[in-house]
Amino acid sequence: GAVVSQHPSRVICKSGTSVKIECRSLDFQATTMFWYRQFPKQSLMLMATSNEGSKATYEQGVEKDKFLINHASLTLSTLTVTSAHPEDSSFYICSVQGFSNQPQHFGDGTRLSIL
Amino acid sequence: AQSVTQPDIHITVSEGASLELRCNYSYGATPYLFWYVQSPGQGLQLLLKYFSGDTLVQGIKGFEAEFKRSQSSFNLRKPSVHWSDAAEYFCAVGETEGGKLIFGQGTELSVKP
Repeated sequence: GAVVSQHPSRVICKSGTSVKIECRSLDFQATTMFWYRQFPKQSLMLMATSNEGSKATYEQGVEKDKFLINHASLTLSTLTVTSAHPEDSSFYICSVQGFSNQPQHFGDGTRLSIL
Repeated sequence: AQSVTQPDIHITVSEGASLELRCNYSYGATPYLFWYVQSPGQGLQLLLKYFSGDTLVQGIKGFEAEFKRSQSSFNLRKPSVHWSDAAEYFCAVGETEGGKLIFGQGTELSVKP
């Protein structure tokens, strides 16, 4: 069964809206989760590393005030796209760091469309 | 700088034919190497991984990959492609097995009947 649950799978909203995406680890406690963004026909780009109980680590060029990450528990990380604009439309994928030297487990992604 | 290059953006093969997807990496230390597959609109599924040991690794769905340190390559192969293999394939490199990854650009595989 699924190891990582990502919700919602698709969201369409108006420009200026804030959108929250949830990433849940179903099978084990995850101190570290990752958020990636994927534009059409392109690769996955790491946006940030989400650390339970502490601030996320953002990759260069990613606006931390626009992409708010909260990792309040060992099974849940959320990504909030604040004041979303059409250029934020993308496929957002979370992953959970492997437990005991296991590879990352990926969610099924969220298709975000900003009108 | 760490990077992963997949030279082929799109490959088309006939069903039943063999397949090889290329991946070259640039990494300072001995990397963890991965191949993932992504179906349209979905997340990533791990096909196989390599860190050490036998340089030819077997994965799921009949895929295998060979690590060649001298060529900084980690090419993915399958002896006989099935129509259901049509998808996007990503090569990735990381410094630990479960840590953050750097992905290649991806190779889209189409399978002809």
